[in-house]
Amino acid sequence: QVQLEESGPGLMQPSETLSLTCTVSGFSLTSNGVGWVRQPLGKGLVWMGTIWAGGSTNYNSAVQSRLSISRDTSKSQVFLKMNSLQPEDTGTYYCARQRYTGYYFDYWGQGVMVTVSS
Amino acid sequence: DIQMTQSPASLSASLGETVSIECLASEGISNSLAWYQQKPGKSPQLLIYGASSLQDGVPSRFSGSGSGTQYSLKISGMQPEDEGVYYCQQGYKYPFTFGSGTKLEIK
Repeated sequence: QVQLEESGPGLMQPSETLSLTCTVSGFSLTSNGVGWVRQPLGKGLVWMGTIWAGGSTNYNSAVQSRLSISRDTSKSQVFLKMNSLQPEDTGTYYCARQRYTGYYFDYWGQGVMVTVSS
Repeated sequence: DIQMTQSPASLSASLGETVSIECLASEGISNSLAWYQQKPGKSPQLLIYGASSLQDGVPSRFSGSGSGTQYSLKISGMQPEDEGVYYCQQGYKYPFTFGSGTKLEIK
């Protein structure tokens, strides 16, 4: 069955670079997109960016200058890197499979909580 | 960016009651609209895509409708497990955007 699992550090210092990994199973990264969605504590959902089946990426302009999404198809892993972290980057980060028709997210990981604090 | 305005922000419903949640897009989104349910401490779960298509495994009491800029999610017969926060999301134009959420509770 389709599964996604995020992993990464829970606590970061301001100005550091965040690195998260999304390990997927049950589907191929060369046939599906994977997006990252952030949720500040107690708040709503914000799309950050997506890597598509062909390897191309699209980013939310709000974080585009700090964000990079890449993948290793041989390991079924998608990576998020975001630099210059600030306290407002605190929240839960989800990876999710994103479909091409309608661009909705049909399977989500359990999320990883990231706190940015000195 | 396309703004997605959800209403109401919160509501409470009795068991068996029919509930509707609205989502208004700031411009037409051609039915590229999905609805998600999120329970406390859990990740969002897809309910509806393409404005009205029911995701596999989702109970048939959930339904979606709408067109243009106005969309709605209906729950026909509120159940205890339907408590949670509901979000709409447009997939019509970058950046993909979500509504601010509707918190649904049992009365």
